[in-house]
Amino acid sequence: AQSVTQLDSQVPVFEEAPVELRCNYSSSVSVYLFWYVQYPNQGLQLLLKYLSGSTLVESINGFEAEFNKSQTSFHLRKPSVHISDTAEYFCAVIREGNFNKFYFGSGTKLNVKP
Amino acid sequence: GAVVSQHPSRVICKSGTSVKIECRSLDFQATTMFWYRQFPKKSLMLMATSNEGSKATYEQGVEKDKFLINHASLTLSTLTVTSAHPEDSSFYICSARDAASGTYEQYFGPGTRLTVT
Repeated sequence: AQSVTQLDSQVPVFEEAPVELRCNYSSSVSVYLFWYVQYPNQGLQLLLKYLSGSTLVESINGFEAEFNKSQTSFHLRKPSVHISDTAEYFCAVIREGNFNKFYFGSGTKLNVKP
Repeated sequence: GAVVSQHPSRVICKSGTSVKIECRSLDFQATTMFWYRQFPKKSLMLMATSNEGSKATYEQGVEKDKFLINHASLTLSTLTVTSAHPEDSSFYICSARDAASGTYEQYFGPGTRLTVT
């Protein structure tokens, strides 16, 4: 069975503080991993993805995530958040052999306070 | 680029009526579109995959006669919730894959909030 777990439904943090949003998955086959961000009243936007190669991937706005196969995790981090990072973040996986089916976590609401 | 729109953004309908939701790829052609349902504080659940010009493929447990999907063109897919009931109230999100990109990345629409009274 395929599942994606985001343990934290909400993460409050002050501006300029570091943040980590956790994502764990379960799979018996190889997976590709994604983080999507959803701003209020907008669709999901791809933040970053891991397909192969370096296990540390970065986005253009300072987020990074590291694929850890032994811990089946793909946690999202940012060393210093901004107010504008307030949004809902979804972790998702697709598995090798079935690229159509995205499995999403339940989302983490990041609330950045001034 | 790669913008997907949905219409309407919100809809309220009475129990027993049908409602249609449109999903459009605005600046690319989408041979494959996807429909998801999102419950409060839950994951997005894939309902069905639609390919232009062919029948949709439904996920296990999704009633194909209740959730009618049409993908008549490379830029438009529609989801019709037939004989809607309050339990069908949910947030419906579509996504589309760019036929020319050669990747499996999906571009998501902003969602449609359906409330059945």
